[in-house]
Amino acid sequence: GENVEQHPSTLSVQEGDSAVIKCTYSDSASNYFPWYKQELGKGPQLIIDIRSNVGEKKDQRIAVTLNKTAKHFSLHITETQPEDSAVYFCAASPFTGGGNKLTFGTGTQLKVEL
Amino acid sequence: EAGVTQSPTHLIKTRGQQATLRCSPISGHTSVYWYQQALGLGLQFLLWYDEGEERNRGNFPPRFSGRQFPNYSSELNVNALELEDSALYLCASSAGLRGTEAFFGQGTRLTVV
Repeated sequence: GENVEQHPSTLSVQEGDSAVIKCTYSDSASNYFPWYKQELGKGPQLIIDIRSNVGEKKDQRIAVTLNKTAKHFSLHITETQPEDSAVYFCAASPFTGGGNKLTFGTGTQLKVEL
Repeated sequence: EAGVTQSPTHLIKTRGQQATLRCSPISGHTSVYWYQQALGLGLQFLLWYDEGEERNRGNFPPRFSGRQFPNYSSELNVNALELEDSALYLCASSAGLRGTEAFFGQGTRLTVV
């Protein structure tokens, strides 16, 4: 089955700096890669996703890049703000035959310090 | 538009009892997914229902089961509760065969004592 590894497990940045979280996956059949943000006491919130036919996608201060050859994908947050502090999860899904069974990374605790 | 809703928010059960968790998907979504988020273990896939049928299940024992109703809402049942079943149980919905994005509810915090 699919295995997703995520690094780092914790990340502390100064407000205004950039943050980068990296994930690798094992199953070449995976073709959908979402990122979720989870704040304390809440469910995961989808913040951005990318499909295998795209190398990069950007939405305001967040961007995701995908390297299918190397089976790597990364989340980039620029101009970080205190409200970006949360746990971020990457995930991968084969999405074959319907459905969206996600395999998640172990999460990155991002702390944005003033 | 209402998001995915789960009930109850918190549930405390004794070891050996049964727990029932409920989920209402986003309107128009036919697929419901259940995940377990145990402390330090990330999110683990439990079950996937679409159009009333179980489509896939994760690596969990048979005492984890569920069903999906004609209105696409879903129930997760956990029988013979064990202490290690204590976790946040998350439900997500997606548009089934027509979509990929999965949206999560707030979860049910199950505590087994």
